[in-house]
Amino acid sequence: AQSVTQPDIHITVSEGASLELRCNYSYGATPYLFWYVQSPGQGLQLLLKYFSGDTLVQGIKGFEAEFKRSQSSFNLRKPSVHWSDAAEYFCAVGRGQGNLIFGKGTKLSVKP
Amino acid sequence: EAEVAQSPRYKITEKSQAVAFWCDPISGHATLYWYRQILGQGPELLVQFQDESVVDDSQLPKDRFSAERLKGVDSTLKIQPAELGDSAMYLCASSLEGAGSETQYFGPGTRLLVL
Repeated sequence: AQSVTQPDIHITVSEGASLELRCNYSYGATPYLFWYVQSPGQGLQLLLKYFSGDTLVQGIKGFEAEFKRSQSSFNLRKPSVHWSDAAEYFCAVGRGQGNLIFGKGTKLSVKP
Repeated sequence: EAEVAQSPRYKITEKSQAVAFWCDPISGHATLYWYRQILGQGPELLVQFQDESVVDDSQLPKDRFSAERLKGVDSTLKIQPAELGDSAMYLCASSLEGAGSETQYFGPGTRLLVL
């Protein structure tokens, strides 16, 4: 069955520190992979996506993610976190046009 | 920058009442999705439209939920009657047809509270 696991429900980091959010997926074929961010009470904003090619992808707001096929992972990273990055982050998988399968999300808190 | 529009942003209703949500996708996006997001969870697909046709409604509780996209542009999701368990965020998303169809763009959502 297709699934996405985000092992960390809640992460707290200090402002200026580095960040890594974990995402593991189970999918029958090579998936398309996405990271979305959701601020409280808001919709989802696309941070970055991976379809093929270079396994390190750059996104908006200084985020990047690396696709590792051998580990079925697509972890999100940022070298220096800003207070405005506090939000909930969702990893999702899909294939072509159609349903995206989302993880349960990781809530990021940023300490001043 | 074009965005997906949704209204209302918030809705409070009593159980057994009817509620309706509206979505206007990004202009030119043929595919429209309705997702439900329960607090603390990721979004889950309710229904997918390609133009005015339903492509996937396998997860839509059809005894109380209905969705339409009559002219292949904007869409309405209805719940009748609402139940306490329907309290959630209802998200609309849209995508292009063909190249670029893999990326879904989400609206701000409608937060529903059923009392």
